Order: sequence, then structure tokens, then C-alpha cells
Amino acid sequence: KAGVTQTPRYLIKTRGQQVTLSCSPISGHRSVSWYQQTPGQGLQFLFEYFSETQRNKGNFPGRFSGRQFSNSRSEMNVSTLELGDSALYLCASRYGTASYEQYFGPGTRLTVT
Amino acid sequence: SQKIEQNSEALNIQEGKTATLTCNYTNYSPAYLQWYRQDPGRGPVFLLLIRENEKEKRKERLKVTFDTTLKQSLFHITASQPADSATYLCALFPLTGGGNKLTFGTGTQLKVEL
Repeated sequence: KAGVTQTPRYLIKTRGQQVTLSCSPISGHRSVSWYQQTPGQGLQFLFEYFSETQRNKGNFPGRFSGRQFSNSRSEMNVSTLELGDSALYLCASRYGTASYEQYFGPGTRLTVT
Repeated sequence: SQKIEQNSEALNIQEGKTATLTCNYTNYSPAYLQWYRQDPGRGPVFLLLIRENEKEKRKERLKVTFDTTLKQSLFHITASQPADSATYLCALFPLTGGGNKLTFGTGTQLKVEL
């Protein structure tokens, strides 16, 4: 089975721009979560989608949003980029809400200049 | 909310020895505790999950313990190898409250030397 894929792998944007990141979960997995990882804060939960519905949201401003499509693929969007948004953005999938181990993608490295 | 603490100092050990990593947490609620491995520039890889009614879990050279009284989990790698060098992350998935989401510690970097 193919693993979780994320595109693009690397991205450089300028302050004020917006960005969209994409995640394809493992086939059959219906839950997709997004995390932000920075050296100072570690891995922080952004949100989780299950069957196209947002189930949970972390403590991030409204500039961070996401969605999930009927094929379980997910996108996250960050608007009005700030320098502090530079991070590794990780997507993780799991089969369903009753399965607890998560399978992560390789991440998208976002640099905001 | 859950707070998870892992030793931020890197752990250096010799090949063949047992590495022991510690994960302490606060604001306990019934939870599943997980350990992940992360290599530089890559996503975390799931290693083991232990339920709160399990004291110990093993998988090949890995062993995890979960002490809900001490609010601590220990992660052991026996007969360590240089290939085990990575950052190891502890994570808690609360079963009640906590927003049904995984909370990670900041990780401990392990370096296994020849």
C-alpha cells in the first residue's frame, strides 16, 4: 500500500501571500490530520478531518484552514503568510476514529521570506 | 489539557547498550500513549501504542512501559545500533476530554555511537 503523500515537498513564499498544501492519505484511511512542526514548538496539532467534516481544531488563528474531499484527500490553506509560519507541515492519516496510530507523510517544508 | 515532557538533551550511548527514553505527562486522563521515531526532514513513523491498562508492550528490540501512577512512560531500545539514531517522540491520545487529538512531546534525540 502506498504511504501518505504530500505535495509540494518544498515551498518558498513571501509574507502576505497565501499557500495551499495537499495531502493524499493511505488508501482506505478516512481521517486526515494536519500538524505544524517548528524547532521551538515541536509538533502542534492544526486540525483533523473525517468524512469531509472537521472534527477537531488546534489553537491556530483563522488564517489556517483546511478541507477534505470525498476521496479523503485533504488540503490546508494558510492565508496572509507571516514569517512565523515557516515550518514543516505534516499530514497524517488513520483508518478511522477508533484507530489511534497515525501514519505521517514526508511533510511540506514552507519557508516564508 | 495534556502537557508532555521529554528530555530535551540528546542521549548518546554506545552500540549494543540499552537506550532508555523518558516521557512524563501532566493532567492525566485515560489515554493511549504512543511512541514515534522521526528522522531529520521526514515525518514521524509510528512505533508502538500502549493502552492505560497495559503495563508493558514489546516489539522486537523495543519495549514500552506505562505507569499511570507516576504519569510516566519509558521507552527502551535493547542492543542499540547506529541505525537507531533518530529523534523519538512520545504522544498521548486522550480517551476523554482533550479534544480527541494526539498531543506530542518535543522529542529526545538519540545518538548511538560505534
